[in-house]
Amino acid sequence: DSGVTQTPKHLITATGQRVTLRCSPRSGDLSVYWYQQSLDQGLQFLIQYYNGEERAKGNILERFSAQQFPDLHSELNLSSLELGDSALYFCASSVIPFHEQYFGPGTRLTVT
Amino acid sequence: SQQGEEDPQALSIQEGENATMNCSYKTSINNLQWYRQNSGRGLVHLILIRSNEREKHSGRLRVTLDTSKKSSSLLITASRAADTASYFCATEEGGSQGNLIFGKGTKLSVKP
Repeated sequence: DSGVTQTPKHLITATGQRVTLRCSPRSGDLSVYWYQQSLDQGLQFLIQYYNGEERAKGNILERFSAQQFPDLHSELNLSSLELGDSALYFCASSVIPFHEQYFGPGTRLTVT
Repeated sequence: SQQGEEDPQALSIQEGENATMNCSYKTSINNLQWYRQNSGRGLVHLILIRSNEREKHSGRLRVTLDTSKKSSSLLITASRAADTASYFCATEEGGSQGNLIFGKGTKLSVKP
């Protein structure tokens, strides 16, 4: 158990819908990262927050947004969902950037 | 974008044998990390090696880093059936904010 929690574990929704994925980092970790894992693209970095502030953006679509709250939990919002958004979404946390990242169990999103 | 490329893509060995996986990357890095993922589950951090280090050990794991060749290797000694998993290398690029760029992984199968 990494200490990073993600909810929900599974999510099935229809195209065009909007969903919110939630992540609670390990106690004491200030950095939160979101990654997407799909069969064709592999593991892709989406976005990073540090102590409530956005720090880096990767291959995140404009339809996706995220935020980190004062209690350091983070949410990833996915809107206007398409079939191709079906993937595993992982949250990871680290004490500060440039340290080991600890991954949550992931949320499996299926868009039908 | 993929930074690391693992080799081989798949590896099948007998219990007790050693397993070696290689990773090549393209740009300068701050550090390189290895992760393990059991099928469809979260990633488990194995080891982090910084750009000024050449070798690191953790239990049955040995990681080497050659920055001149932009390559790293992960050696698992005396493998066990429980080591069956996918192994990913991930790099923190120089100038990045600490986010990881993952390779496509090596699928290791250890037969009892």
